[in-house]
Amino acid sequence: DTEVTQTPKHLVMGMTNKKSLKCEQHMGHRAMYWYKQKAKKPPELMFVYSYEKLSINESVPSRFSPECPNSSLLNLHLHALQPEDSALYLCASSQDGGRGFWYTQYFGPGTRLTVL
Amino acid sequence: KQEVTQIPAALSVPEGENLVLNCSFTDSAIYNLQWFRQDPGKGLTSLLLIQSSQREQTSGRLNASLDKSSGRSTLYIAASQPGDSATYLCARGAGSYQLTFGKGTKLSVIP
Repeated sequence: DTEVTQTPKHLVMGMTNKKSLKCEQHMGHRAMYWYKQKAKKPPELMFVYSYEKLSINESVPSRFSPECPNSSLLNLHLHALQPEDSALYLCASSQDGGRGFWYTQYFGPGTRLTVL
Repeated sequence: KQEVTQIPAALSVPEGENLVLNCSFTDSAIYNLQWFRQDPGKGLTSLLLIQSSQREQTSGRLNASLDKSSGRSTLYIAASQPGDSATYLCARGAGSYQLTFGKGTKLSVIP
């Protein structure tokens, strides 16, 4: 099973709302990632968790707050977003070789976020 | 800054043709090279991963090669089918979990 699941599939929110995106995998992967993808652009890395610890934060604004409650779950908490944050948010996971080394990344279907 | 370039940006071929997608990267200190497929509005599907110590990988009708010295990778698709129509992304892997994507090649296979 190489499945990464993401919920919800679509999300529409106002700039004052608080919402969360959820990602789950049961492949035993210990590295989990959040990416942001704007229309007709490649994915851009936002955060990486390695063994449930935040390993990389690519200078993402604080209105995006990641959380890794256990080795299978990854959340992205959203607050006070801007219309330009509208995008496809992709979660991925991979085996973690430690010290920044990793293997094939498996992606979820994404959450299409629209900020009004 | 590490750059990944994919040429062509779009490609249209008749069904049954063999085709090659190209990917080039600027830094030869590569960790791995991964090819993905993305259907419109969907997530990414991993196709092939080539570690830096390897020269090629094969899966079914797909073959990917890696030439670190020239900073190039190619994805060869044999006997193309309409179901192969999608955007193909190559991504260069570096240490610290970094995966840098190219802008993709949009492939249309015409029945």
